[in-house]
Amino acid sequence: EAGVAQSPRYKIIEKRQSVAFWCNPISGHATLYWYQQILGQGPKLLIQFQNNGVVDDSQLPKDRFSAERLKGVDSTLKIQPAKLEDSAVYLCASSLNPTNTGELFFGEGSRLTVL
Amino acid sequence: AQKVTQAQTEISVVEKEDVTLDCVYETRDTTYYLFWYKQPPSGELVFLIRRNSFDEQNEISGRYSWNFQKSTSSFNFTITASQVVDSAVYFCALMNFGNEKLTFGTGTRLTIIP
Repeated sequence: EAGVAQSPRYKIIEKRQSVAFWCNPISGHATLYWYQQILGQGPKLLIQFQNNGVVDDSQLPKDRFSAERLKGVDSTLKIQPAKLEDSAVYLCASSLNPTNTGELFFGEGSRLTVL
Repeated sequence: AQKVTQAQTEISVVEKEDVTLDCVYETRDTTYYLFWYKQPPSGELVFLIRRNSFDEQNEISGRYSWNFQKSTSSFNFTITASQVVDSAVYFCALMNFGNEKLTFGTGTRLTIIP
């Protein structure tokens, strides 16, 4: 079974530029998450989708971050304009039903460096 | 509010030694789930275990064991006879029932020295 796919793996941009990350979850997984992991910290939830609807985006900085999950499968996370503090690894995860199994499957992440 | 504390930032042990990773959590909910994830150098988070708040039985899976103590709000993870492949960052996490949001600790970097 294919895992969660993310791209690009690495991205370097200058502040005020924009960037987009793509995630393809495991087939059949209805729930998709974007987490931000700053160096030396644990992952922090940015947004959670159930199919193509947003369940929780309370920690998403909406003035610069946006995310969508058209058709309830792939998802894109965009940052515009980027700030230095956005340097982090952006992890995508998916799950069938986390409250039953508790298991989220994570991708390898997209590492963003903002100069 | 939920909080997960992993006081050990980094641990190094020699191969074949046992090592325990500590996790302390805070939550006001009576029903919740606790998790451990492993993050190897490749970056993906690998699920290791989930426990619910009603089940305080300790669990053993091969060289891994987990000790859940509700009285001290702790969920510690022990690796017996450690191996170099166990080197990774380990995260403890909490999820309240009905809320599918995982709150992670800051992680413990474990290095197994050959």
